[in-house]
Amino acid sequence: NAGVMQNPRHLVRRRGQEARLRCSPMKGHSHVYWYRQLPEEGLKFMVYLQKENIIDESGMPKERFSAEFPKEGPSILRIQQVVRGDSAAYFCASSPLRSPGETQYFGPGTRLLVL
Amino acid sequence: KNEVEQSPQNLTAQEGEFITINCSYSVGISALHWLQQHPGGGIVSLFMLSSGKKKHGRLIATINIQEKHSSLHITASHPRDSAVYICAVSLYNTDKLIFGTGTRLQVFP
Repeated sequence: NAGVMQNPRHLVRRRGQEARLRCSPMKGHSHVYWYRQLPEEGLKFMVYLQKENIIDESGMPKERFSAEFPKEGPSILRIQQVVRGDSAAYFCASSPLRSPGETQYFGPGTRLLVL
Repeated sequence: KNEVEQSPQNLTAQEGEFITINCSYSVGISALHWLQQHPGGGIVSLFMLSSGKKKHGRLIATINIQEKHSSLHITASHPRDSAVYICAVSLYNTDKLIFGTGTRLQVFP
């Protein structure tokens, strides 16, 4: 059973470009969470998705950021018109059930660098 | 004030020492998690606790719900334990995790 997979592992973008980050949850997991870790800061919740539904996006910046988890395929975190402040490590995690406190399994992260 | 506070922020130890990392939280939770993050690497879930104590190898995690406090202990520490240890809580009735800022542990041989 492969773990949570994220790609790319490293992504370099120039200001104004788009960044697409992919997350494939563990087999059998239908719940995906995205977290951001800014340099020298702690992890922060961004969004929680279930297949085809956004459940909680209270941590997402209001503009330029969007997330989806289609019926088929990976979850995508999309950042439009990137700025230098978007440079961070983006982690996704998955869990099998929706019960508060369920263990979340983390992917290796995507390190985004905006030049 | 952060909802999840960890102490100490940084910790150095000699191989073999007993290590304690503390976590306090100020919100209602359904569970508390201890995570490990290696330099440049991913995040591994060590424990999920809602009460009492759990042990896995040389790692022990305890939680006191009344005092809103948890501790992570490492017995017979080893240089390979060097990592950032992160406390996180699942807010009561939600699914998102709120994280502490982490404790950076270095164990020297």
